[in-house]
Amino acid sequence: EVQLVESGGGLVQAGGSLRLSCAASGFPFSNYWMSWVRQAPGKGLEWVANIRQNGGESERYYVDSVKGRFTISRDNGKNSLFLQMNSLRVEDTATYYCARKGDGRVDHWGQGVVVTVSS
Amino acid sequence: DIVMTQSPDSLAVSLGERATINCKSSRSIFYSSNNKNYLAWFKQKPGQPPQVLIYWASIRESGVPDRFNGSGSGTDFTLTIDNLQAEDVAIYYCQQYYESLFTFGPGTKVEIK
Repeated sequence: EVQLVESGGGLVQAGGSLRLSCAASGFPFSNYWMSWVRQAPGKGLEWVANIRQNGGESERYYVDSVKGRFTISRDNGKNSLFLQMNSLRVEDTATYYCARKGDGRVDHWGQGVVVTVSS
Repeated sequence: DIVMTQSPDSLAVSLGERATINCKSSRSIFYSSNNKNYLAWFKQKPGQPPQVLIYWASIRESGVPDRFNGSGSGTDFTLTIDNLQAEDVAIYYCQQYYESLFTFGPGTKVEIK
């Protein structure tokens, strides 16, 4: 069974940093694109970042609003996905989901982790 | 970036009737080399992660009832929910995966009339 379990969320002051982790199991992690998607309270879904299977610098993609502040990475040996978030802003407050891209579409999601940025 | 729009923002449908949601992309998400439209539909209930319903614009995800149907090509797409059930109350999102950074539509809220 595919499982994605996020951790690392919490409350942080604006300008601070957090590192989110996603532990993957039940599938060959290194074979799949992985993503972070967020949802601000009461708002719609926003794609944050994608990383291809090998995870090199040229294989990472970010929404404009987080470029230069967030870094997606992966450790294929540990079946783990990460999101390093620096210079956090109040508008980064959201539930962050780890997701797996299957045949085209995202086919599995974690339950999400809450990040709250206070002013 | 490809911008996705949806209409309507919300709709109320009687139980057993049909709900129709439209989605439009700012440019074509049809890839001619493999004849596929890079579009998915998701359903999200409060407090839950999204659930994929449809991908490649018209392929139903395993386990999704056949009341859910996707259609369209190029820039215009539709999700149809036939015989609406109480458990279909949710927000529905379209999403393109044509580009390396994916984008969602703003969502359509479906309620029971």
